[in-house]
Amino acid sequence: DVKVTQSSRYLVKRTGEKVFLECVQDMDHENMFWYRQDPGLGLRLIYFSYDVKMKEKGDIPEGYSVSREKKERFSLILESASTNQTSMYLCASSFPGVGSPLHFGNGTRLTVT
Amino acid sequence: AQSVTQPDIHITVSEGASLELRCNYSYGATPYLFWYVQSPGQGLQLLLKYFSGDTLVQGIKGFEAEFKRSQSSFNLRKPSVHWSDAAEYFCAAVNQAGTALIFGKGTTLSVSS
Repeated sequence: DVKVTQSSRYLVKRTGEKVFLECVQDMDHENMFWYRQDPGLGLRLIYFSYDVKMKEKGDIPEGYSVSREKKERFSLILESASTNQTSMYLCASSFPGVGSPLHFGNGTRLTVT
Repeated sequence: AQSVTQPDIHITVSEGASLELRCNYSYGATPYLFWYVQSPGQGLQLLLKYFSGDTLVQGIKGFEAEFKRSQSSFNLRKPSVHWSDAAEYFCAAVNQAGTALIFGKGTTLSVSS
């Protein structure tokens, strides 16, 4: 079974802090994704990566950056956390190819105070 | 811009009754379409997918979906709902660039006894 593990289930940070959300997958997937999920807005794509050291902006990249130094790990970075970044963050991975299904982690609920 | 629309925010169905969740997409070519389910506190799990061929696709947990090009729809159905089906359901489509999934805003299903 594919396992996508997000290091923290709940996280509380202060405004202005630098925040790291970690995601690891164990299926040798090339593709990895970060989405944020908000009530009434569904899932919105922040960043994705097709290979090590490669990244592409999604629909809402502002205020975020990512790092992919190893194939299995994809980190989401909030350079200076703000209250409007309070949200559920979901990591996903997949094999390459259009339509390859995404495998999701259980999410990190981040609260910025 | 490409979009996926789920017109119903919340649906309540009696246990044992049939279910239909609606999904519409805006996309010119044949889309790659998915339905995911999210149980409380969990990540998203793939229910089924449509790429081409037979327009009625079967998924896990007794779900099926029908692709109707004329209506730009991909509705999810189940003949008899169980209490454990209470969850949030997301319809998704591969974006025009073929790089990531675009999600609808979700439909929350409640099951009454």
